[in-house]
Amino acid sequence: LAKTTQPISMDSYEGQEVNITCSHNNIATNDYITWYQQFPSQGPRFIIQGYKTKVTNEVASLFIPADRKSSTLSLPRVSLSDTAVYYCPRLGGTDKLIFGTGTRLQVFP
Amino acid sequence: GAGVSQSPSNKVTEKGKDVELRCDPISGHTALYWYRQRLGQGLEFLIYFQGNSAPDKSGLPSDRFSAERTGESVSTLTIQRTQQEDSAVYLCASSNPGREEQFFGPGTRLTVL
Repeated sequence: LAKTTQPISMDSYEGQEVNITCSHNNIATNDYITWYQQFPSQGPRFIIQGYKTKVTNEVASLFIPADRKSSTLSLPRVSLSDTAVYYCPRLGGTDKLIFGTGTRLQVFP
Repeated sequence: GAGVSQSPSNKVTEKGKDVELRCDPISGHTALYWYRQRLGQGLEFLIYFQGNSAPDKSGLPSDRFSAERTGESVSTLTIQRTQQEDSAVYLCASSNPGREEQFFGPGTRLTVL
């Protein structure tokens, strides 16, 4: 089963918008796209999910094109506390999540 | 409400010893997962329990690893004859079936000397 693909790391500054893109080349028709955030020494935390088009919550926005082969997590006006690793795992059957190494976001003052 | 809890938070053991790691899922969650995360790496799926169905053990790396779950509550991950490469953070998550969101515990950091 192929993992999703995303950049290894990204740098940003406080107040900027950050967009992290993930490829989902082998996504199944019924699979939702989910994103998780992980701080050091903590377990991952679910932040957003979507099926297609755009989803927005109090934390982030998620953009999914019509072919669903990619998704973009958008974090508006990041702060230092958004420094974390962001994952876009794919479902690997029986609801288990297949995680890659994620994108390590570093926010600078 | 209470989240997923795991114990111990840290475990240091000697090579060759057996260890047991515990996970208390969120009450009412029928699905329970174990993952392993080595330093600087992503999460590696180990095993999945769903209700009374046979567990999905496809991620267990060797027969030294086993896990049990009592009904829809506590789960124990056992590693026998630990090796240094078993050193990692072991994460547990629970969810309701049909929902994509998994709730993770804080993990158990295992160090094998």
